[in-house]
Amino acid sequence: GAVVSQHPSWVICKSGTSVKIECRSLDFQATTMFWYRQFPKQSLMLMATSNEGSKATYEQGVEKDKFLINHASLTLSTLTVTSAHPEDSSFYICSAPVGETQYFGPGTRLLVL
Amino acid sequence: DQQVKQNSPSLSVQEGRISILNCDYTNSMFDYFLWYKKYPAEGPTFLISISSIKDKNEDGRFTVFLNKSAKHLSLHIVPSQPGDSAVYFCAAITSGTYKYIFGTGTRLKVLA
Repeated sequence: GAVVSQHPSWVICKSGTSVKIECRSLDFQATTMFWYRQFPKQSLMLMATSNEGSKATYEQGVEKDKFLINHASLTLSTLTVTSAHPEDSSFYICSAPVGETQYFGPGTRLLVL
Repeated sequence: DQQVKQNSPSLSVQEGRISILNCDYTNSMFDYFLWYKKYPAEGPTFLISISSIKDKNEDGRFTVFLNKSAKHLSLHIVPSQPGDSAVYFCAAITSGTYKYIFGTGTRLKVLA
């Protein structure tokens, strides 16, 4: 199957700092990638759709100025959590589609102190 | 509004027996359904999918059944193995949108 990587896998930062998470499709190109967030014991919630060459599409309730998404190339999308606060601590997962199937990255655990 | 529901948050099954995970949806526009397996602190791994034009899809120990009239799908794992212990998410999409809607997950524990 297709492989999606994420970096870093685990990050701890101080409140007020910005954190960048990378999502890469390793063996295929993805004009669209997706960013999800998962709180403990909850479902994956779609945050935004990252589009190569155009602006990201954000889901209702997701602050676009706080969660900056850049789809720099056909294999890379980045999510930057700006001015992170403890409530942003979560598990962030990206995915990229191959046909109808989404392939997910391993996730990034963010802890904001 | 939870369009995809997994009403059982957890399930325990003896090794070798059948595991049945259930998923209900409300949106009749969904026409493609998937099951994912997820271990803690890892991304979901694709297991099996089914198109709305089918009512069954089988892949090894995994079989997904779709009942469109009841807006219900289920994942059968036979025989269950301890390595199957994980959280299972069902997901639904409308073709061409790529926008997955996930259920809340069911934690399966297979007892040795």
